[in-house]
Amino acid sequence: DQQVKQNSPSLSVQEGRISILNCDYTNSMFDYFLWYKKYPAEGPTFLISISSIKDKNEDGRFTVFLNKSAKHLSLHIVPSQPGDSAVYFCAASSQGGSEKLVFGKGMKLTVNP
Amino acid sequence: GAVVSQHPSRVICKSGTSVKIECRSLDFQATTMFWYRQFPKKSLMLMATSNEGSKATYEQGVEKDKFLINHASLTLSTLTVTSAHPEDSSFYICSARDQLQETQYFGPGTRLLVL
Repeated sequence: DQQVKQNSPSLSVQEGRISILNCDYTNSMFDYFLWYKKYPAEGPTFLISISSIKDKNEDGRFTVFLNKSAKHLSLHIVPSQPGDSAVYFCAASSQGGSEKLVFGKGMKLTVNP
Repeated sequence: GAVVSQHPSRVICKSGTSVKIECRSLDFQATTMFWYRQFPKKSLMLMATSNEGSKATYEQGVEKDKFLINHASLTLSTLTVTSAHPEDSSFYICSARDQLQETQYFGPGTRLLVL
């Protein structure tokens, strides 16, 4: 039972354009969400998080939007850069993030120069 | 951001031997550390949750006698793969949760190859 779903395995965008990565979840107990970026043979790098009390969190080029009623969140990267090419994981947790993370399967983003 | 290190980064061993992997939080204290395994083309799978000074909590299907976890201090957790077999070959990643920020920071991972 996949509680966190990243339904698109890959996305390709042009440099300078917006990248939108989507994530859906099924567990209504999740109240803390994170995005990680991962290069091959490296550990994930934390990008940005959002608590369920918010619907938007922004950090530089990265913005995460949360739609609780739809159990959907998205990561926007603007403008996209070739160095953003990596696998992005959506993760969710409950109890304000103190519980274990549940990961989606990841989505490969390719930003073309 | 917070830094988590893992050692070794890569290890090759013979079948039947044991391998120890260290995970350290370098600039923060972590009462909780997590061990993940990544399978090819799949997501990270949580193996166990390690709490400083107490026994680790293993996920369903993970053999606790095979994957020994010790969390002796607020900055160090170790994973020992005992009697390793080729099917244990994988990429093992640890993470440490910053007590103050409730965010997990990941180590760079350890590539294990069992011959």
